[in-house]
Amino acid sequence: DSGVTQTPKHLITATGQRVTLRCSPRSGDLSVYWYQQSLDQGLQFLIQYYNGEERAKGNILERFSAQQFPDLHSELNLSSLELGDSALYFCASSVSRGEGEAFFGQGTRLTVV
Amino acid sequence: GENVEQHPSTLSVQEGDSAVIKCTYSDSASNYFPWYKQELGKRPQLIIDIRSNVGEKKDQRIAVTLNKTAKHFSLHITETQPEDSAVYFCAASGMRDDKIIFGKGTRLHILP
Repeated sequence: DSGVTQTPKHLITATGQRVTLRCSPRSGDLSVYWYQQSLDQGLQFLIQYYNGEERAKGNILERFSAQQFPDLHSELNLSSLELGDSALYFCASSVSRGEGEAFFGQGTRLTVV
Repeated sequence: GENVEQHPSTLSVQEGDSAVIKCTYSDSASNYFPWYKQELGKRPQLIIDIRSNVGEKKDQRIAVTLNKTAKHFSLHITETQPEDSAVYFCAASGMRDDKIIFGKGTRLHILP
């Protein structure tokens, strides 16, 4: 167990819908990263927060947004869902900004039908 | 933008032989290079990392080398065992922002 908690574990939803994925980082970790992993694909960086502030952005679609709350948990919002958004979404946390071990949650498997 | 290239995408080695996975990065400001292992259906986990002020680091059967001039780093696994079968990801970070950019992964098969 990495100490990073992601909910829900699985999510099935229809095209056009909106979902929210939740991540609780390890106790004491201030950085939260979001990644998308499609079938046989690598870990695509989406966005990163440090202590509530957005610090880095990857190729995140405009239909996707995220935030980190004062208690340091983070939410990734995916709207107007398309079939191609089906993927495993990982959250990771670390103590530092961009360096040091990142601890991954178990992921949220999103299936858009 | 920042990019990490990883090769090969698939690697099959006989049990007991060595495996080498290579990565190159584009941003010369990168200074931290972790390697993650992802077993089937599980989360990625750090197996070894190296910082830019070090050229080589070893941990039992695993070693990583870094060539900052060439912007190239490699993972070496010796005396491979069945439990080494997994997908391995290299990454680079410590750039001008806080990104951790991953390579596309190498699927390693250890053959009996």
